[in-house]
Amino acid sequence: DAGITQSPRHKVTETGTPVTLRCHQTENHRYMYWYRQDPGHGLRLIHYSYGVKDTDKGEVSDGYSVSRSKTEDFLLTLESATSSQTSVYFCAISDTTDTQYFGPGTRLTVL
Amino acid sequence: QKEVEQDPGPLSVPEGAIVSLNCTYSNSAFQYFMWYRQYSRKGPELLMYTYSSGNKEDGRFTAQVDKSSKYISLFIRDSQPSDSATYLCAMSALAGANSKLTFGKGITLSVRP
Repeated sequence: DAGITQSPRHKVTETGTPVTLRCHQTENHRYMYWYRQDPGHGLRLIHYSYGVKDTDKGEVSDGYSVSRSKTEDFLLTLESATSSQTSVYFCAISDTTDTQYFGPGTRLTVL
Repeated sequence: QKEVEQDPGPLSVPEGAIVSLNCTYSNSAFQYFMWYRQYSRKGPELLMYTYSSGNKEDGRFTAQVDKSSKYISLFIRDSQPSDSATYLCAMSALAGANSKLTFGKGITLSVRP
């Protein structure tokens, strides 16, 4: 998975609780992305980062925030988890090309 | 109409068959086209990358882009059970890592031994 790890790999939480997912890369790539993948919707971009402290919204950013304080780490936070945020979350990285490399994913269940 | 439409599947074929996977799109600005393969409970991995119209071949895989018809295809020759996975098409309008990819929903392929 191109030097990308995601943690945790599985999480079950309750509605209303905050959740933070972590993406860590060892490739020193500038760009990092958070996607969610749901049946019937495919992969949808949540947020992305084009450098330390530089982030922007994707198509489904409501209810999510991100932070990137170091090149290697990109955090996704659900401030108050809802059942509609039950999904598989993928982190991806990219250097100066169009190619994005994906992490192994985090399976999140919100009860 | 969604920007990228992909045949919903699933698709089941016998080993050795030729497989054709297709996507259509509506945004004429798309110039960069990719196919990703995703095994069960894994992240997507890039399989093929093409720019503009034309064909690109890599082993048993051929990617075809027809921009005039807004149609892309992935052909798999001599399909193997190891090709069983979900295949996602993706495309972007801009070059460079700041371009955002738009994905199809994916089609699940099963190759029967």
